[in-house]
Amino acid sequence: EVQLLESGGGLVQPGGSLRLSCAASGFTFNNYAMNWVRQAPGKGLEWVSVISSNAAGTYYADSVKGRFTISRDSSKNTLHLQMNSLRAEDTAVYYCAKGGELIRSGIDYWGQGILVTVSS
Amino acid sequence: QSVLTQTPSASGTPGQRVTISCSGSNSNIGTNSVNWYQQLPGTAPKVLIYNNNQRPSGVPDRFSGSKSGTSASLAISGLQSDDEADYYCAVWDDSLHARVFGGGTKLTVL
Repeated sequence: EVQLLESGGGLVQPGGSLRLSCAASGFTFNNYAMNWVRQAPGKGLEWVSVISSNAAGTYYADSVKGRFTISRDSSKNTLHLQMNSLRAEDTAVYYCAKGGELIRSGIDYWGQGILVTVSS
Repeated sequence: QSVLTQTPSASGTPGQRVTISCSGSNSNIGTNSVNWYQQLPGTAPKVLIYNNNQRPSGVPDRFSGSKSGTSASLAISGLQSDDEADYYCAVWDDSLHARVFGGGTKLTVL
């Protein structure tokens, strides 16, 4: 059974940093692209970033480019999202999501999500 | 404003058939496969349809997907009260080098 468990969320002040992690199990982590998707309170889904299976390729939404960095640790089956220069509009539930073998492949599993609140 | 356009809301009575549409462009739906997600209140999204028209195991055959040109559709037949949820389409966009989501359709079962 595929399981994705996010951690690292919480309250942070504007301009601050936070690092999200996602522990993956139930599938061969190294074979699949991984994504972060977020959802602001009462809003729709917004894709944030994707990393290829071998970590060679990464892409970001324009709204986070230059501030967020996605990475993966194949030895620990863990996905990370380093978030710097946080803004109020980054407040959202962040979902870790498993993709397919290619970066362009669709998301097929989602974590339960973790809340990030950016506020003073 | 989303790259993919979905009608914000839809409704139907139990037993009815409802269709939710998703309109895109040549760089996304016109080129790549569409997935559809169901998000029940207070829960994480769940995949309903992948690769335009494929259902994962466990998803009832009341749910079906189709794609034509730069548009995709999700059809729900035999509507049930449990189907009341938000539905999202998603696809990779070759021009933006990004995954794009529709704005979501809130389905109400009357």
